[in-house]
Amino acid sequence: DAKTTQPNSMESNEEEPVHLPCNHSTISGTDYIHWYRQLPSQGPEYVIHGLTSNVNNRMASLAIAEDRKSSTLILHRATLRDAAVYYCILRDLGKLIFGQGTELSVKP
Amino acid sequence: NAGVTQTPKFRILKIGQSMTLQCTQDMNHNYMYWYRQDPGMGLKLIYYSVGAGITDKGEVPNGYNVSRSTTEDFPLRLELAAPSQTSVYFCASSGGTAYGYTFGSGTRLTVV
Repeated sequence: DAKTTQPNSMESNEEEPVHLPCNHSTISGTDYIHWYRQLPSQGPEYVIHGLTSNVNNRMASLAIAEDRKSSTLILHRATLRDAAVYYCILRDLGKLIFGQGTELSVKP
Repeated sequence: NAGVTQTPKFRILKIGQSMTLQCTQDMNHNYMYWYRQDPGMGLKLIYYSVGAGITDKGEVPNGYNVSRSTTEDFPLRLELAAPSQTSVYFCASSGGTAYGYTFGSGTRLTVV
């Protein structure tokens, strides 16, 4: 299974943009890049996913490097409710294998 | 739209007992998954299924069994519960490899 590398933790200020990086240098051509987040005491929540092109939805944007070896999740205006663990995962043959993720804290 | 429903939400088992964790989805998804999450850790894949009648092992299958007789249901069976199986269990489903996952709210299991 291709692996991802994320910082253990990041801090942000409320109402500022947040860029969460992810490295996946061993990604294969068919791996989708998925992002999920897990709020305290809740199940994981789908955020966004993409294959090659940048993607936008109501929650976030996903910027994918041209060589696909890295990606960045962008939260345009962080709120206190965005404090969570964010997981960057490569979907391989239908499976999601979770890493440790990035714990994002948001300061008022 | 209920999504992924897990029952029970909480359960305490004694060592050696057995139980089945239920998972049902109403989105007609072919792919279904079971994960466990130990305190302070990430999720580990236990078993998954790509369609009715098909199941496969994940990262940590020992001590568990699954079946997939219908598209909607994917129960997880624990035989001879052990303290090491104390965890939060999440079920998830997906419409296919190009789609995101939907997770249930979890079952918190304690084995004493």
